[in-house]
Amino acid sequence: AQSVTQPDIHITVSEGASLELRCNYSYGATPYLFWYVQSPGQGLQLLLKYFSGDTLVQGIKGFEAEFKRSQSSFNLRKPSVHWSDAAEYFCAVGPYNNNDMRFGAGTRLTVKP
Amino acid sequence: KAGVTQTPRYLIKTRGQQVTLSCSPISGHRSVSWYQQTPGQGLQFLFEYFSETQRNKGNFPGRFSGRQFSNSRSEMNVSTLELGDSALYLCASSSAGLARETQYFGPGTRLLVL
Repeated sequence: AQSVTQPDIHITVSEGASLELRCNYSYGATPYLFWYVQSPGQGLQLLLKYFSGDTLVQGIKGFEAEFKRSQSSFNLRKPSVHWSDAAEYFCAVGPYNNNDMRFGAGTRLTVKP
Repeated sequence: KAGVTQTPRYLIKTRGQQVTLSCSPISGHRSVSWYQQTPGQGLQFLFEYFSETQRNKGNFPGRFSGRQFSNSRSEMNVSTLELGDSALYLCASSSAGLARETQYFGPGTRLLVL
């Protein structure tokens, strides 16, 4: 069965520091992997996605993620965090036809000034 | 281009009532998916519609149903509401419902069941 684990419920980083959010997945076939961000009172916004090819994926807002098949991981990174990055981040995995996406529990990011 | 819109944004209902939520996808998008978000269960897939047909359904009881109209607008209905149905209901649209497309989410409808 497909599933997603985000080990960190809450992370606090200082503004300007680097960030890495962890995501591990379990999926029987070739996964489609996603990172979404949700600000309070808002819907989800896609940061980036991975289907195939280059395992380092660039997204919006300066985020990137690396797919590591051997570790079943798809960690999200940002070299320098801005206060506006404070939000909840969700990793997701799904099939090619997008109609049964599984989300992780989310990681809440707090940014200290 | 207008984004995904959901109405109403907030709802308060009592147990046993039914509720209908509406989702208008981005113009040209034919796939609409619905998700339930709760603190305990997180984000869970409800169902997906494409060209007025339900293509897949998540693990929810039959009290949860939906439909899609010819203009791609979608509604979901929850009958005989339970306290546990209190949640943020999100809809998302994409062109054809393929994972390689970008799925755009609406702001959600927050339902409170008393």
